[in-house]
Amino acid sequence: AQKVTQAQTEISVVEKEDVTLDCVYETRDTTYYLFWYKQPPSGELVFLIRRNSFDEQNEISGRYSWNFQKSTSSFNFTITASQVVDSAVYFCALSASGGSYIPTFGRGTSLIVHP
Amino acid sequence: GAGVSQSPSNKVTEKGKDVELRCDPISGHTALYWYRQSLGQGLEFLIYFQGNSAPDKSGLPSDRFSAERTGGSVSTLTIQRTQQEDSAVYLCASSPLSGRATEAFFGQGTRLTVV
Repeated sequence: AQKVTQAQTEISVVEKEDVTLDCVYETRDTTYYLFWYKQPPSGELVFLIRRNSFDEQNEISGRYSWNFQKSTSSFNFTITASQVVDSAVYFCALSASGGSYIPTFGRGTSLIVHP
Repeated sequence: GAGVSQSPSNKVTEKGKDVELRCDPISGHTALYWYRQSLGQGLEFLIYFQGNSAPDKSGLPSDRFSAERTGGSVSTLTIQRTQQEDSAVYLCASSPLSGRATEAFFGQGTRLTVV
């Protein structure tokens, strides 16, 4: 079985603060893929990043960065200098052969950035 | 348009009625997923279509739920004898090829309210 846990239900920050969204996953497979999606108030999930289990390099894209650590089964997402437009629900997801590669999603973390 | 299209965007129905939700995936995408998102919950997997293979129906919550995909393209999710607990946002997503190494592209969802 595979599972994704996003323990933070809601995070509230003030603009320009840095914020980290946690994601912990469980799978018995050695090959798997991890994803982050953003769901703005409009409702449509938007893909942010994909990482496979053999690539533990951290990634930075503008104000976004991702820290993948297999030793702790975590794939955390950091937003630097947050902006009001970052306000959304963020989902972490996992796909693996044990789950027929059907993405399993966490419950999401609602990020509220105040001006 | 080039994205995943879902209709209707909103549906209010009386308890006990049947409803049909439609999804038009991105042209050429062979994988199609249906998820359900209830208030404060993550995305609950319902059903997965991959090419001409038999669909994975393991996530359907009861036999009142069914789905079909015609011609490898448009999909319809049908809920018979709707109950109040069926109220949720139903999300459709598609991805190319097997989907395991690629992200899913989501529609804006159908918000179903059963009264």
